[in-house]
Parts: sequence; structure tokens; C-alpha cells
Amino acid sequence: ETGVTQTPRHLVMGMTNKKSLKCEQHLGHNAMYWYKQSAKKPLELMFVYNFKEQTENNSVPSRFSPECPNSSHLFLHLHTLQPEDSALYLCASSQGGWGKDGTEAFFGQGTRLTVV
Amino acid sequence: DQQVKQNSPSLSVQEGRISILNCDYTNSMFDYFLWYKKYPAEGPTFLISISSIKDKNEDGRFTVFLNKSAKHLSLHIVPSQPGDSAVYFCAASAMVNFGNEKLTFGTGTRLTIIP
Repeated sequence: ETGVTQTPRHLVMGMTNKKSLKCEQHLGHNAMYWYKQSAKKPLELMFVYNFKEQTENNSVPSRFSPECPNSSHLFLHLHTLQPEDSALYLCASSQGGWGKDGTEAFFGQGTRLTVV
Repeated sequence: DQQVKQNSPSLSVQEGRISILNCDYTNSMFDYFLWYKKYPAEGPTFLISISSIKDKNEDGRFTVFLNKSAKHLSLHIVPSQPGDSAVYFCAASAMVNFGNEKLTFGTGTRLTIIP
């Protein structure tokens, strides 16, 4: 248990569906992230939120829409996805300041998304 | 362009021996490096880190070595235990904009410890 909770753990959706992934952390962290893990590829950063403000959008298609209503919650809204979007979506949080020793990101268990 | 590379997709090591996982990077702006461990159906968990002002950091059975001139880091696990079998990700960060840091990950190395 890392303190970062993601729901659902598994999701199967059609290409015309709309669904949302949820991430919750009660670690008091100020930064939250969405990562995508596809087979045989590095973990890809999708979005970064610092103090609820989006500070990074890593050229993610608009069919992925993040929302950060407060510093403890992060959503990823999905609509009209493609089969190639099937992957493991990981949420992470951190206190920021990677350059400081002892600072790291805490990851959730991920949502395994399958688009059919 | 992959800035963090783990060229060995898999590694098998006998229990009790040393496991050495390697990672190379290309971005000279990276100044903080981390290793994450991932079991199936779980998110990555932090293992150990090192900042660019150091060349070695040790935590129990785990030691990370950083060679800045070669842009290379390695994770040593000794002695290796069956529970160490997992995928290990190398990650790097550049303190370019404070408060806007991000981690760049490698593709991972699957370590299998043979009993």
C-alpha cells in the first residue's frame, strides 16, 4: 500500500464509450501525475499537476482529458479511445523537488485499460 | 529519442549471487536518478535514489552507482533473493523548472532470481 489509490483496477470499454479513471492520495503531496505504460515501452508521462494546476501536457491526444479538483484527487476522462490506447495507466504523487534526496514518486497500482 | 536506456530487457541470477542492473542516459541535464521495482499487477515502488553530487548510495542490500562522465548508473543487489524477482525501472529527472520536475523512465529490466 503506497498511499495512492486508483480505481477501477481493470476497465474494458468500447471506442464510443466515455469513462473516467480516478486517483486519490492522502499523503499531503502537492504534485500528481498520470503515466501510461504500454508493452515494451518506457513509462510515458502524460500530465502533471502542481497545486491543482496543470503544468505539463506531454502532447497527449485530446481524447484524454485530465481533471484535478483538489490536491488529493486526479481524474483521467476518456472518450472515443482507440484500441492502441489499451495500456496500464498509472497515477503517481510526490512532494515535488526531485533534486532533493529522499524525494520520490509514489505510484498507484494502475488501471489496466482495454479498448475494444 | 529515448533519453534513459536499459539495454537488457531481462536478467537471470542465482539466489545469493550479485544482481547488477544497468542504465544509460543521454541528457546531461539529469541530476537525480531513481530505481523503481515493479511486481505484476502493481504500480512501481521506489527502491533507491542518487543525486548527481554523489557517486554511490547504499541502502541495505541495494547500492546504486553513478558514473557521470559515462552517463551510466547501475543497481547492485547482493545477495539476491527470490523476492527480488521483478521488473526494475531506472528513472531520471532534471531540475529545470522547480516545481515542474518530471521523471523520464527506461523500458525496464526483468530480473529473475533462480533458487
